[in-house]
Amino acid sequence: SQKIEQNSEALNIQEGKTATLTCNYTNYSPAYLQWYRQDPGRGPVFLLLIRENEKEKRKERLKVTFDTTLKQSLFHITASQPADSATYLCALDPSLNSGGSNYKLTFGKGTLLTVNP
Amino acid sequence: DGGITQSPKYLFRKEGQNVTLSCEQNLNHDAMYWYRQDPGQGLRLIYYSQIVNDFQKGDIAEGYSVSREKKESFPLTVTSAQKNPTAFYLCASSSLGTGNSYEQYFGPGTRLTVT
Repeated sequence: SQKIEQNSEALNIQEGKTATLTCNYTNYSPAYLQWYRQDPGRGPVFLLLIRENEKEKRKERLKVTFDTTLKQSLFHITASQPADSATYLCALDPSLNSGGSNYKLTFGKGTLLTVNP
Repeated sequence: DGGITQSPKYLFRKEGQNVTLSCEQNLNHDAMYWYRQDPGQGLRLIYYSQIVNDFQKGDIAEGYSVSREKKESFPLTVTSAQKNPTAFYLCASSSLGTGNSYEQYFGPGTRLTVT
């Protein structure tokens, strides 16, 4: 069966360190993978999208990698700050690679990141 | 300001009553989505629509209904047939385009409590 898994439910790190979050998927062949941030009681906010032919994507302190061989994406936040504390969701659209597209996203359950001062 | 709005933020209903959640967007997006989020469950897709007057069931459509009479509006009705309706409901919208995957823009959510 198809699965998208974010390995850690929660991650605690010290301010200034690099946070690394993992997203693994099985029985999908996504052409794209997206990362979102969600604060408590609020809707998710889009952060980054990475295509299958892109090994790495950066935006300010954020970096995403996409390894289609390992079926894994890593999400890094460098020089982390307490304001980075939130739940981070990965999502993929499994349909594009098959030639069809129904624009659905499948979300992982998220990883709650806490950055301690 | 462009965005997606949901109302109300909190909603309380008695068991057995139908309730409609509002979702409006002024982003000129073709696609709209409804998700349900429960603690520890992540986001689960209820219904989605790519064009006016057309919509498709998601993974957990039973007990829900939607309509898409206008491009900017996609209301969700939680019917009395939904066994566990208490949850956080999120509406989202996105552009559509061949060969691309577009990010989804989410509303602030409606927290529904049924007692």
